[in-house]
Amino acid sequence: KAGVTQTPRYLIKTRGQQVTLSCSPISGHRSVSWYQQTPGQGLQFLFEYFSETQRNKGNFPGRFSGRQFSNSRSEMNVSTLELGDSALYLCASSLGSTADGYTFGSGTRLTVV
Amino acid sequence: AQTVTQSQPEMSVQEAETVTLSCTYDTSESDYYLFWYKQPPSRQMILVIRQEAYKQQNATENRFSVNFQKAAKSFSLKISDSQLGDAAMYFCAYRSASGESGGSNYKLTFGKGTLLTVNP
Repeated sequence: KAGVTQTPRYLIKTRGQQVTLSCSPISGHRSVSWYQQTPGQGLQFLFEYFSETQRNKGNFPGRFSGRQFSNSRSEMNVSTLELGDSALYLCASSLGSTADGYTFGSGTRLTVV
Repeated sequence: AQTVTQSQPEMSVQEAETVTLSCTYDTSESDYYLFWYKQPPSRQMILVIRQEAYKQQNATENRFSVNFQKAAKSFSLKISDSQLGDAAMYFCAYRSASGESGGSNYKLTFGKGTLLTVNP
């Protein structure tokens, strides 16, 4: 079955712009989580959605937001981009209970110039 | 808050030999899950092995096994018969099972990672 699909794979944006990243989970998975990966901070949790509801949010400014649609696809948005937002953004899906494992996508590499 | 520490930024191993990657964690919870993920240059995080804290038995997946010491809060990964394809960044991760520390059972907390090189 198809894995977790993230689009686009690469993105270059200018400071001050906004960006939207997309994640399509594995069919049947209702939970989608987002992580930011940088060389300095490592992997940091952004937020998690389950059945269109945000269940948990990491310690990121309000410029970072997300949503989940009824088909479980999720988008995350970053407004007023800063150079420090340059990172690999990873999406992970799961069935949604605490016992479930996560399956990750290959990420979107965002570069802010 | 939970923390995960991987004290070895880099490790190397000869092909066909055994290597152990270290991970320690800090938590006040009694019920949780621990994971090892592998991230090759393709960037996709791949689940290597999972351990449930309430299980005494160490998890094993083919050439991969863990040494889970709950009292010591230690969770090391042993890779036997190392192969060139094992070369990657390895991350240890923690997940609360009950959310008793406030809604954190819906996220993974990762260590900084260990870069494993396999020499032919």
